Parts: sequence; C-alpha cells; structure tokens
Amino acid sequence: AQKVTQAQTEISVVEKEDVTLDCVYETRDTTYYLFWYKQPPSGELVFLIRRNSFDEQNEISGRYSWNFQKSTSSFNFTITASQVVDSAVYFCALSEETGNQFYFGTGTSLTVIP
Amino acid sequence: KAGVTQTPRYLIKTRGQQVTLSCSPISGHRSVSWYQQTPGQGLQFLFEYFSETQRNKGNFPGRFSGRQFSNSRSEMNVSTLELGDSALYLCASSLALSSGHHTQYFGPGTRLTVL
Repeated sequence: AQKVTQAQTEISVVEKEDVTLDCVYETRDTTYYLFWYKQPPSGELVFLIRRNSFDEQNEISGRYSWNFQKSTSSFNFTITASQVVDSAVYFCALSEETGNQFYFGTGTSLTVIP
Repeated sequence: KAGVTQTPRYLIKTRGQQVTLSCSPISGHRSVSWYQQTPGQGLQFLFEYFSETQRNKGNFPGRFSGRQFSNSRSEMNVSTLELGDSALYLCASSLALSSGHHTQYFGPGTRLTVL
C-alpha cells in the first residue's frame, strides 16, 4: 500500500500566485517523521523541512509554510507569492519509528510561469 | 561542511556489464542510503548501510548490492545490467545514531544509462 500519496502530478501557476502541494500519508506507528524535499532540474534532492509526529505546530519559513494535521494524515506545503525559481519537483516523504527507510510520494511537478 | 558527493555523475554501459557507483557522505554521518529514481517507478529505496552493515533492504533483485567502508563511504554495484536499470541513482547520508530518526541529505546522483 502506498504510504505517501501526492495526488497532484503537475501544477502550473503564474508567478506571484500562491500554491499548495498536498501530501497524505499512511502509517500505523505513533511516532513518525515527515519531510519535504525539492528536486530542481539538476537532480539533487534538497531538504526543506522535517516534522515529528508529536509536533503538530505549523511552520513558516519565508515564503514557505507547512500545515501538519494528524486528524487527516496530511502534511501540506504552501508556497506564497511563487517565483520562477520555485519550479521543481517536490517530494513528500515518511520515515516510521521502525527503521530508517524513507517512503517517498510520487512527487508534484510545479511550474511557475513568469 | 561539504555535502554528499557521488561519482561518477554520468555513466553509459551496455547490457550485461556491471557497474560500481560511489558515495561519500557528509562528514560525521554514519548512515548511507541508496535510491533508484525512474520516471515510471519514482523514488525507490535500495538499501541502507550503517557502520559497514546493511541495516535495511528494499525490494530489488540480488544483482543490486552495496557495501560501506570504515570511513562511511559507500559503493553500490549492479551486475548483469538490464535496460530497465537505466535510472538516476541517489545516495543519501544521515547521522542515524542509535535512536531517533535523522534527516537524509542527498547527493547529486549518478545518471546511469544502459544501452
């Protein structure tokens, strides 16, 4: 069963629009960790954020914000006032308490049009 | 601090050959994980090494193997290459101490093309 679902395969927005990338996860562990990574065309996955299951506080970092809701098993990512440099594939990932393996979603390809 | 480095960055092989990819983790990181990324299958976990021991393994055939050295550098080997092995191979390192989970930091990847 898919542990991380990113239902949005591709999104296109015009520069300066806000955009939200959805992530839904599935786990039976009570302790787990959620991540977002950005993969620009160069290929390297860049770490953006990590959230522990026991910390539901939302986080804002500049134009980026994350909404973690355990009740709906979602960890959504919002980019405010998008820029062309935000164009990339974004991956959501889950790491469970047992094991150090990461489960990645299929990614959302974001294109910001100037 | 230098990031994760992978060599080579690009590789072209033919079917039936074998290939070895190398990964140097961030200094102080003891865990190295390998992933295969393809357009059809996405990011798939291959295996993880910690202190020279394979700690986790994904669902890949035995043609895929790896090892880790005492300095935490890791190599991944694919024997008897198939066309379907063409992919971006990503290495990630993390602190991975005895408890807790640690963020994985990725290298730039090795783009393998099998002809």
